[in-house]
Amino acid sequence: NAGVTQTPKFRILKIGQSMTLQCAQDMNHNYMYWYRQDPGMGLKLIYYSVGAGITDKGEVPNGYNVSRSTTEDFPLRLELAAPSQTSVYFCASEGQGASGYTFGSGTRLTVV
Amino acid sequence: QKEVEQDPGPLSVPEGAIVSLNCTYSNSAFQYFMWYRQYSRKGPELLMYTYSSGNKEDGRFTAQVDKSSKYISLFIRDSQPSDSATYLCAIPQGAQKLVFGQGTRLTINP
Repeated sequence: NAGVTQTPKFRILKIGQSMTLQCAQDMNHNYMYWYRQDPGMGLKLIYYSVGAGITDKGEVPNGYNVSRSTTEDFPLRLELAAPSQTSVYFCASEGQGASGYTFGSGTRLTVV
Repeated sequence: QKEVEQDPGPLSVPEGAIVSLNCTYSNSAFQYFMWYRQYSRKGPELLMYTYSSGNKEDGRFTAQVDKSSKYISLFIRDSQPSDSATYLCAIPQGAQKLVFGQGTRLTINP
């Protein structure tokens, strides 16, 4: 199925642990994004990429890191997890033109 | 002042009612406006987009932009229980980046 695939769907981390949230798209989109969504706060941009090898910070990048070695994959790395990183994380991609973003189904992360 | 503001609700209306969802924005240079719909435990999906001022209609949904007031609206006619979701307005902020409103949680009661 074409689209954006995120894994895992759920994860519980202990404070100080690290993990990588995976995101893959098969639409050959150049633009990819990571957002976090907290209740009543909308979506906040963490990092984005305009193509393989190019990444840039969004509004809330602290505590996260990304890489974009291929067009398809855009993993998000959490180092030293903190309770403030408890959230739902969405990956999205966008092609050319006014097609809007295609979002994955999200990763629900709890840090305890 | 936030770039895009949206009343988070929640909003609950009976089936068949007309629903009005609204956002305000701060930058008069914004030209392109989007509405996303997000069902529970799913990612947002693009519902409609409009460019500049005026109305755009798609079935039971109408998107309206008032640039003089920096106000955008989404109207849902003959609302159905399947329209129950969170609706987010979104505005591109250069370089392929979208700024989202907080989202309004809508419930349509049968």
